[in-house]
Amino acid sequence: DAGVIQSPRHEVTEMGQEVTLRCKPISGHNSLFWYRQTMMRGLELLIYFNNNVPIDDSGMPEDRFSAKMPNASFSTLKIQPSEPRDSAVYFCASSLRQGEGTEAFFGQGTRLTVV
Amino acid sequence: QKEVEQNSGPLSVPEGAIASLNCTYSDRGSQSFFWYRQYSGKSPELIMSIYSNGDKEDGRFTAQLNKASQYVSLLIRDSQPSDSATYLCAVRRSSASKIIFGSGTRLSIRP
Repeated sequence: DAGVIQSPRHEVTEMGQEVTLRCKPISGHNSLFWYRQTMMRGLELLIYFNNNVPIDDSGMPEDRFSAKMPNASFSTLKIQPSEPRDSAVYFCASSLRQGEGTEAFFGQGTRLTVV
Repeated sequence: QKEVEQNSGPLSVPEGAIASLNCTYSDRGSQSFFWYRQYSGKSPELIMSIYSNGDKEDGRFTAQLNKASQYVSLLIRDSQPSDSATYLCAVRRSSASKIIFGSGTRLSIRP
């Protein structure tokens, strides 16, 4: 399997613009997580889905952030409008829900810079 | 109180020695525990999973879990310069729940 695939790898945008990050989870995985990583705050969970349904979005910082998972093989994280403080690395991860609980596998991440 | 706590380091260990990384968590209902390694500029990579009290060994790595003390540790034997990275501890309550990460411990192996 190709693993979790994220696009784009790098994104530079101007403040106020809309940004869309994309994720393709590992085939057969039924949990998907969006994380944001910064030096100051570490790896923060933004939102996660089980079977394409959003379960917990309490980590989404503001209404400017939204996430969707229209099917089992695709998810998006959108920021509109973007601000410089949104600059971070955004990771998507997926896992297979089975048994006691399973580990998450990460994509390569999207490095977002808002200027 | 943070849900998952780690000493940020840096932890400096001589090559060939044992590196010991520690993690505590606040949710007593947690069932699954993970250690990830993250090199600078890369994504987190799973090293170990542990679900039961006691030790679990995989090559040079040993994970230790003590649910009564809410404590997880990772031992790296015969440390190599390539082990220099940030190590993230992660906790999950159930297979349907979120995975929460600690802030990571930066490990440096000196030749």
